[in-house]
Amino acid sequence: QVQLVQSGAEVKKPGASVKVSCKASGYTFTSYYMHWVRQAPGQGLEWMGIINPSGGSTSYAQKFQGRVTMTRDTSTSTVYMELSSLRSEDTAVYYCAREPSGGGVPGGGMDVWGQGTTVTVSS
Amino acid sequence: DIQMTQSPSSLSASVGDRVTITCQASQDISNYLNWYQQKPGKAPKLLIYDASNLETGVPSRFSGSGSGTDFTFTISSLQPEDIATYYCQQYDNLLLFTFGPGTKVDIK
Repeated sequence: QVQLVQSGAEVKKPGASVKVSCKASGYTFTSYYMHWVRQAPGQGLEWMGIINPSGGSTSYAQKFQGRVTMTRDTSTSTVYMELSSLRSEDTAVYYCAREPSGGGVPGGGMDVWGQGTTVTVSS
Repeated sequence: DIQMTQSPSSLSASVGDRVTITCQASQDISNYLNWYQQKPGKAPKLLIYDASNLETGVPSRFSGSGSGTDFTFTISSLQPEDIATYYCQQYDNLLLFTFGPGTKVDIK
């Protein structure tokens, strides 16, 4: 079945970096974009960015420009999200979510989500 | 960047009630608007895509409408399992996406 399985919880110190993985299975990896969305405790959903696994192109929310890097490994159907210069406000659950690629652009909504990865930033 | 507003921020309704949530974009987004349901401790679930299309497997009591800047999400008959927070989400042709702030729905 279609699923996205994310890496386990992380605890990081301020200033460090974290790299979260999202392994896809059950579908054609390169036919779907992958988003990263985070949710701080008690807060709403925040979109971070998107990667096209087919060519590796990315688009990031302005808030995270310069601090986030999204990559993919087509041989293992895995996408990665690395966030650097961590601060306490980055404590959140991080989700990957796929979106169909229709005609080379995303469309149809984020239809499958990973289970979430908790990242805690604390000294 | 396109900003999204949602109202109300929370509501309480009785089982069987009709529930309506509105979402407004800061500029014309055509029909590039999706709706999600999130229950506590769970990942969000896609309910409506492209403003009015029901995702496969989603009960027909959920519906969406609108285009341009103003959108509406409706639960025709609220059920106990619909207790959740609902988010709208827009996307533009620059590959930038935004979620609304969410609407928490409770049973009265």
